[in-house]
Amino acid sequence: DVKVTQSSRYLVKRTGEKVFLECVQDMDHENMFWYRQDPGLGLRLIYFSYDVKMKEKGDIPEGYSVSREKKERFSLILESASTNQTSMYLCATRAGESGNIQYFGAGTRLSVL
Amino acid sequence: GENVEQHPSTLSVQEGDSAVIKCTYSDSASNYFPWYKQELGKGPQLIIDIRSNVGEKKDQRIAVTLNKTAKHFSLHITETQPEDSAVYFCAATPRNAGNMLTFGGGTRLMVKP
Repeated sequence: DVKVTQSSRYLVKRTGEKVFLECVQDMDHENMFWYRQDPGLGLRLIYFSYDVKMKEKGDIPEGYSVSREKKERFSLILESASTNQTSMYLCATRAGESGNIQYFGAGTRLSVL
Repeated sequence: GENVEQHPSTLSVQEGDSAVIKCTYSDSASNYFPWYKQELGKGPQLIIDIRSNVGEKKDQRIAVTLNKTAKHFSLHITETQPEDSAVYFCAATPRNAGNMLTFGGGTRLMVKP
């Protein structure tokens, strides 16, 4: 089974803090994704990575950056957290561009106060 | 880009009844339509998918239908059970978008025993 592990289930941060959300996968998948989940808006793509050190902006990249130094790890960074970044964040992996199935972690619920 | 609308946002049914969730998409080039189920405290998980060259697909109690002309697709769950209670997301992927998914807003299904 594919395992996608997000380091924290819940995080509470202050406005202006730098926040790191970590995601690790154990299936050697090339592609990794960060989504944001908000009620009524579904899942919106923030950034994705198709290989180590490669990244592409998704639909809502503003206020976020990412890092992928190793194939198994994909980090989402909030340089200066704001209250409108309070949300559920989901990491996902996919075997490659030819693959269709995305495998999700359990999510990190971030509250920015 | 692609836009996916999903209805209803919430759906409550009695155990044993059927449930139908509908999605429409905007990009006629989309050719892959997965459905994900998100149980409480977990990440979304693929339950069924359909490609544009097929009109219907079944897997035990769940089925998906696709109408390319009208650009809509639906998830049908028969003989609902309490464990079907979850949030369901539809998605679409345009043919030349590297298999990137655009998700609908989600439907919270509640099955009452």
